[in-house]
Amino acid sequence: EADIYQTPRYLVIGTGKKITLECSQTMGHDKMYWYQQDPGMELHLIHYSYGVNSTEKGDLSSESTVSRIRTEHFPLTLESARPSHTSQYLCASSEYTAVGGYTFGSGTRLTVV
Amino acid sequence: DQQVKQNSPSLSVQEGRISILNCDYTNSMFDYFLWYKKYPAEGPTFLISISSIKDKNEDGRFTVFLNKSAKHLSLHIVPSQPGDSAVYFCAASDGTDSWGKLQFGAGTQVVVTP
Repeated sequence: EADIYQTPRYLVIGTGKKITLECSQTMGHDKMYWYQQDPGMELHLIHYSYGVNSTEKGDLSSESTVSRIRTEHFPLTLESARPSHTSQYLCASSEYTAVGGYTFGSGTRLTVV
Repeated sequence: DQQVKQNSPSLSVQEGRISILNCDYTNSMFDYFLWYKKYPAEGPTFLISISSIKDKNEDGRFTVFLNKSAKHLSLHIVPSQPGDSAVYFCAASDGTDSWGKLQFGAGTQVVVTP
C-alpha cells in the first residue's frame, strides 16, 4: 500500500490553464521534494520543503510554486500551463536521507497542449 | 552541471546472467549513494544503498560496489530475472547538505530477455 499519493496520475490540459498537482504522505515525514523528469533524462529537483511553512526552490528553475501548510500535504501549482511544462512530476518524502532515501509517489504525467 | 552520470542509457541481458550497471560522480562531497528502480508509470523505489565508508554492500541478488578514488559505483544483479526489467537510477547525497537532497543520474534501461 502506497504511503505517498499523487493525483492525478495523468493530466492533459490546454495552454494557459491553472493546475495543481496534489501530493500527500501518511508517514509524518518532515522533508518533501518535487522532481521533474523528462524521458531518458535525470530527475531534476524543482522544489523542496523541510517542514510546515518551509519551501525552497531546487536546482532546476521552475515556474511552478509550492506550499506546505500541513506536514502531510505538498501541492505544486502552475498558474498558467505551457507546452514546455509537459513532463513527469514526481513527489517524494524522507525522514533521513541516509536510511532508505526517499519514498516516491507514482508521479503525475502532465501534457500541455 | 550534471554531478551524477550514467553513461549507458540501456542494457540488455539474458535471464540468469549478471547485469552490471555503472555510475560516475564528480562531487567529492558525496558520501552516500543509492540505487532506485523504476517501472513505467510508477515512481522510483529504493533498491540498495552504500555509505562512503564502505566499498561493498550486498542485499540478496543485488550488490553495490563503490570505488571512491575513481568516483565510480556499480550495481550488480545476479542472477538477472525478467522482473528486473526496469529503469535503474543512481543517486548521491552530500552529507553536508542538511536538506537531504539527492542528485540523480539519467537512468539505465535494463531489459532481461528469456
